Amino acid sequence: NAGVTQTPKFRILKIGQSMTLQCTQDMNHNYMYWYRQDPGMGLKLIYYSVGAGITDKGEVPNGYNVSRSTTEDFPLRLELAAPSQTSVYFCASSKDVTNYGYTFGSGTRLTVV
Amino acid sequence: GQNIDQPTEMTATEGAIVQINCTYQTSGFNGLFWYQQHAGEAPTFLSYNVLDGLEEKGRFSSFLSRSKGYSYLLLKELQMKDSASYLCAVRDWDSNYQLIWGAGTKLIIKP
Repeated sequence: NAGVTQTPKFRILKIGQSMTLQCTQDMNHNYMYWYRQDPGMGLKLIYYSVGAGITDKGEVPNGYNVSRSTTEDFPLRLELAAPSQTSVYFCASSKDVTNYGYTFGSGTRLTVV
Repeated sequence: GQNIDQPTEMTATEGAIVQINCTYQTSGFNGLFWYQQHAGEAPTFLSYNVLDGLEEKGRFSSFLSRSKGYSYLLLKELQMKDSASYLCAVRDWDSNYQLIWGAGTKLIIKP
């Protein structure tokens, strides 16, 4: 049981480049989330999904896009990387909106130069 | 507005007890979570409170007072491996039941 798998673990991008952060879960969770974590700040929600084909914006969606074509996969797309997107990105999943905690992936450390 | 406050850093001694406080202001409280995050790793779920009172889980306990907008995480018999950041998060139905996160409390355990 792998849980939530994120790739890559590290990436350096140049300003203006694009990339996709991959996220896959094998727990058959309906809910999936993308967060960013900056030093000294709480986790900020970028996008979330309540099921295949359904996505919604979180607190900080600008500069990002997502899709949810299957229950398992929830990729995050950065179209035109900017230095402000330097951060650690976490993908997470949960069974539903109850008392179940979230299961997080191991994170992607992204630097935009 | 929505706000969650935690101390930035705390220090405690191995074998002792430490209490990490969290105060919150949200418009639609629907539960409070505590997570542990070791440096360079992902957060892991510790506890959940939705009703007032104390929830005990081994060496860790979490308390909630909804009327005071207050929670604490109590760690007993501290071990060196408990050195980590502890994140408080509140689920808010006004935000489509999404979690609002505090910045975390870095706990340093000394021998």
